[in-house]
Amino acid sequence: AQTVTQSQPEMSVQEAETVTLSCTYDTSESDYYLFWYKQPPSRQMILVIRQEAYKQQNATENRFSVNFQKAAKSFSLKISDSQLGDAAMYFCASVPGGATNKLIFGTGTLLAVQP
Amino acid sequence: GAGVSQTPSNKVTEKGKYVELRCDPISGHTALYWYRQSLGQGPEFLIYFQGTGAADDSGLPNDRFFAVRPEGSVSTLKIQRTERGDSAVYLCASSRLVNTEAFFGQGTRLTVV
Repeated sequence: AQTVTQSQPEMSVQEAETVTLSCTYDTSESDYYLFWYKQPPSRQMILVIRQEAYKQQNATENRFSVNFQKAAKSFSLKISDSQLGDAAMYFCASVPGGATNKLIFGTGTLLAVQP
Repeated sequence: GAGVSQTPSNKVTEKGKYVELRCDPISGHTALYWYRQSLGQGPEFLIYFQGTGAADDSGLPNDRFFAVRPEGSVSTLKIQRTERGDSAVYLCASSRLVNTEAFFGQGTRLTVV
């Protein structure tokens, strides 16, 4: 079974600064995907970034990038040039490769952005 | 519609009552997922449909929970004899294929009093 752990219940960052959110996971699968989702107060989960486990290169989406350490089973999210609109809950999630989107989520990190 | 639509947005019901939660996925999406998010937790998988059939219902907590998708589009999550522990946000997601990006709705907040 897969598990996802987020050890930071809350984080805070100054506007325009950089923040890193931590995530570790455990899986016996050789093929899997990792995700970061953002959940604002509207409750809708929004995909921020996705990483295929077989890819060595860390995924990047504009101001968002990941540090994927496969051997350590670590998958952190870096947000650069933080903006007020980045304030939200952030969830790390994993899914085994193959025919499913059965996501396994962590408990989330609440990010506050200070002006 | 443009996105996944869930109705109602909020539902308050009395303990022991029956409730139905509706999910209208993005047009053309064959896969549909239900998740439950309790307060302070991440979403937990409940059930997944591929077309009309439930491909995986291993996350349903007990036999009070049931979901259908009769025409391969709209899905309804049904909860019988609701309990206070059923209070949570119920999220629905859909994807074009099983291993492509899943898009989430805004959820239904169920409160059992």
